[in-house]
Amino acid sequence: EIVLTQSPATLSLSPGERATLSCRASQSVSSYLAWYQQKPGQAPRLLIYDASNRATGIPARFSGSGSGTDFTLTISSLEPEDFAVYYCQQRSNGPITFGQGTRLEIK
Amino acid sequence: EVQLVQSGAEVKKPGESLKISCKGSGYSFTSYWIGWVRQMPGKGLEWMGIIYPGDSDTRYSPSFQGQVTISADKSISTAYLQWSSLKASDTAMYYCARGLGGSPDAFDIWGQGTMVTVSS
Repeated sequence: EIVLTQSPATLSLSPGERATLSCRASQSVSSYLAWYQQKPGQAPRLLIYDASNRATGIPARFSGSGSGTDFTLTISSLEPEDFAVYYCQQRSNGPITFGQGTRLEIK
Repeated sequence: EVQLVQSGAEVKKPGESLKISCKGSGYSFTSYWIGWVRQMPGKGLEWMGIIYPGDSDTRYSPSFQGQVTISADKSISTAYLQWSSLKASDTAMYYCARGLGGSPDAFDIWGQGTMVTVSS
């Protein structure tokens, strides 16, 4: 089973700042990596799929990059509604797995 | 509108059985994978398994194999997650989600979640 490790566990930033979230896989997942946002009391929302493709309706300030084992989600300029928990998820060989999440909080 | 609507919250006792549902609408239910995800209180997301309603191809996470059963009734566009004997540790929010573009690479549409509470 592929393990996804997200860092940092918590990221404290201010609105307008740039956020960089990392997801590292225990073995290559090619580009089969997705990112989700989850706010309290809500279901997760797909942001990025296949490492770098924005899902429908996702603002351009969200971007994804990487391949193989190292991936990054970047939010170019934080809006108040972006403070949430972010998860990465892979679908390569074997079972689908999620990372443990990064909490993005207001500084 | 494409959506997944899940059944309502459940409160059960240990040892009881349970089947929760996830009804798809606004798209071809048989052409997209449906996945189930567990979220224990205050914790992260855990993938449980997926089913392709078109042919009932089902795959489980090793962590959940034998613990739950995933099924689907394509005649009513509904997927199910069931337990034969609940434990207190099954207390969690359960989400169903649709595989993007007909593959399980990512999940683009999510149900609202079903809260399952198991307590004596």
